[in-house]
Amino acid sequence: EAGVAQSPRYKIIEKRQSVAFWCNPISGHATLYWYQQILGQGPKLLIQFQNNGVVDDSQLPKDRFSAERLKGVDSTLKIQPAKLEDSAVYLCASSPGGGQTDTQYFGPGTRLTVL
Amino acid sequence: AQSVTQLGSHVSVSEGALVLLRCNYSSSVPPYLFWYVQYPNQGLQLLLKYTTGATLVKGINGFEAEFKKSETSFHLTKPSAHMSDAAEYFCAVTDYGQNFVFGPGTRLSVLP
Repeated sequence: EAGVAQSPRYKIIEKRQSVAFWCNPISGHATLYWYQQILGQGPKLLIQFQNNGVVDDSQLPKDRFSAERLKGVDSTLKIQPAKLEDSAVYLCASSPGGGQTDTQYFGPGTRLTVL
Repeated sequence: AQSVTQLGSHVSVSEGALVLLRCNYSSSVPPYLFWYVQYPNQGLQLLLKYTTGATLVKGINGFEAEFKKSETSFHLTKPSAHMSDAAEYFCAVTDYGQNFVFGPGTRLSVLP
């Protein structure tokens, strides 16, 4: 079965510009996660969707970050405007259900550099 | 809120030696615990998880971890390291109604 797909793999932008990341989860997976992984740190959950509804976005900086999961399948994460501290790898993951013991399957990530 | 600490940001072992990666957590209720591995330029992959039941959990690639409630620990071990084990290892915790929280990671180097 195909894994979690993410694009682009790399992105370089200047501060105050906008950027969008795309994620296509494993087919049939109900739950989709976006994480931010800053160099040298563990991933931090930004937002969790179950189908097309938001389960948790408590750590999403809503003044500049937004995410959507239309039709409960693929998802986009947007940053507008970007700051230097947004430089990180953005990971998308999916799981079959919404249970907290579900295994999460991760994509390869998008590495964002903000200059 | 839960938190995870991983002692040692970088661990080096010789090929064939014991691998021990430490993880301690804080949680006010019984936790669910996970170890994920991240190979260079790849996404994270689940090694093993503890939910309920047996406290010694076996995972893929010969790894295992033991949940010790009294020590609030979930250390990851492998009897004999292989070159292919070189990667970043993340411990994570969640519990009922809470977010998934990852530790800072431990980079494992395996020396020939």
